[in-house]
Amino acid sequence: QLQLQESGPGLVKPSETLSLTCTVSGGSISITNYYWGWVRQPPGKGLDWIGSVYYSGSTYYNPSLKSRLTVSIDTSKNQFSLKLTSVTAADTAVYYCARHAGWGRFDYWGQGPLVTVSS
Amino acid sequence: EIVLTQSPGTLSLSPGERATLSCRASQTVDNRFLSWYQQKPGQAPRLLIYGASSRATGIPDRFSGSGSGTDFNLTVSRLEPEDFAVYYCQQYGGSPMFTFGQGTTLEIK
Repeated sequence: QLQLQESGPGLVKPSETLSLTCTVSGGSISITNYYWGWVRQPPGKGLDWIGSVYYSGSTYYNPSLKSRLTVSIDTSKNQFSLKLTSVTAADTAVYYCARHAGWGRFDYWGQGPLVTVSS
Repeated sequence: EIVLTQSPGTLSLSPGERATLSCRASQTVDNRFLSWYQQKPGQAPRLLIYGASSRATGIPDRFSGSGSGTDFNLTVSRLEPEDFAVYYCQQYGGSPMFTFGQGTTLEIK
């Protein structure tokens, strides 16, 4: 059974960089036709796609976050990562890592830690 | 960017009743790229339906999806107590860009 697990700080100061890593277990991250993405959910609100990465290293970003965002992959560790720079309180959210099949469904999700931006 | 609008915002029903949730897109959506998710408090979303009408692995057959173009529905034929949750539709619209609807809360009446 494929499992995804996010790790990283739960508290980030304004203007600093939010960094999260997703570790994939129970299967290879180097699988064709599947992508690895990040989705966030501000407290009490809906879901927003942040960006995705393919095992080849190709990346795809939400245009609204593109200038601050880096998503990367490390196939040797079966991990992919998110870096979001210059964060503000508006970036406070639960951050989920997830797998999506091509450009369709998100079929496996991590638990999603809450990341709070506050001084 | 394609905007998905879900209705109603909240649906109050009793166990055993039938629920129909709507998802309307601002532009035509390819059926292959329309999915539905269920989310319970403190949990990650769970894939229910993909390709507009295909049930994901392990999803009971009381859940069904339908629709095409700009109008899609999720139907729960006979509500069980564990079905009360928030439901989201989601689409891929090229660029690339994924968008989600704002959600429908299905609550016990």
